[in-house]
Amino acid sequence: QKEVEQDPGPLSVPEGAIVSLNCTYSNSAFQYFMWYRQYSRKGPELLMYTYSSGNKEDGRFTAQVDKSSKYISLFIRDSQPSDSATYLCAMTLGWSSASKIIFGSGTRLSIRP
Amino acid sequence: NAGVTQTPKFQVLKTGQSMTLQCAQDMNHNSMYWYRQDPGMGLRLIYYSASEGTTDKGEVPNGYNVSRLNKREFSLRLESAAPSQTSVYFCASSESGVLTDTQYFGPGTRLTVL
Repeated sequence: QKEVEQDPGPLSVPEGAIVSLNCTYSNSAFQYFMWYRQYSRKGPELLMYTYSSGNKEDGRFTAQVDKSSKYISLFIRDSQPSDSATYLCAMTLGWSSASKIIFGSGTRLSIRP
Repeated sequence: NAGVTQTPKFQVLKTGQSMTLQCAQDMNHNSMYWYRQDPGMGLRLIYYSASEGTTDKGEVPNGYNVSRLNKREFSLRLESAAPSQTSVYFCASSESGVLTDTQYFGPGTRLTVL
């Protein structure tokens, strides 16, 4: 069993829709949770990170962590064609563990104009 | 300010050949990383360098060697390439090795081993 599971998609939604991307994980010790966006043939870029449980909002993006269910989500409001990309979740044990980040395999998202 | 650059962008090797992937960053970052990305597997850390002069193994180091040539450059060497090393390789850097420092990724090198 992988430590981090992520539905590969592809997920296709119309412009303006709310998008929900999700990951589940097995290691209850994970404390930091991240979302990366990766455009085609580019390297990943960090969107946001959260610590422990709760919500974090940044513009049209909201990250949510439910540690009791070992489940994290990324919501995108008012989705735009420019949001079309692969979204990778990632997590790690502690703040000094940048070298031990576990990545999900990514969900490919397409926003239809 | 180019960020993280990688060369080459594409490479095709035959089994048993060797090659070195080059990475350089111009952000004065201390930490650098090499990842590979395979379909359905996500990004996996091969090696990292927390600071100039140090290197450590990541999750999948077998078949690779690295050199932190100076603060700017971190190279990845395949001594005897195997088809299982066909992948997209990403170099990344961060100011230090702590999580709160964002990792900046290069554009990747697409390697095919025949």
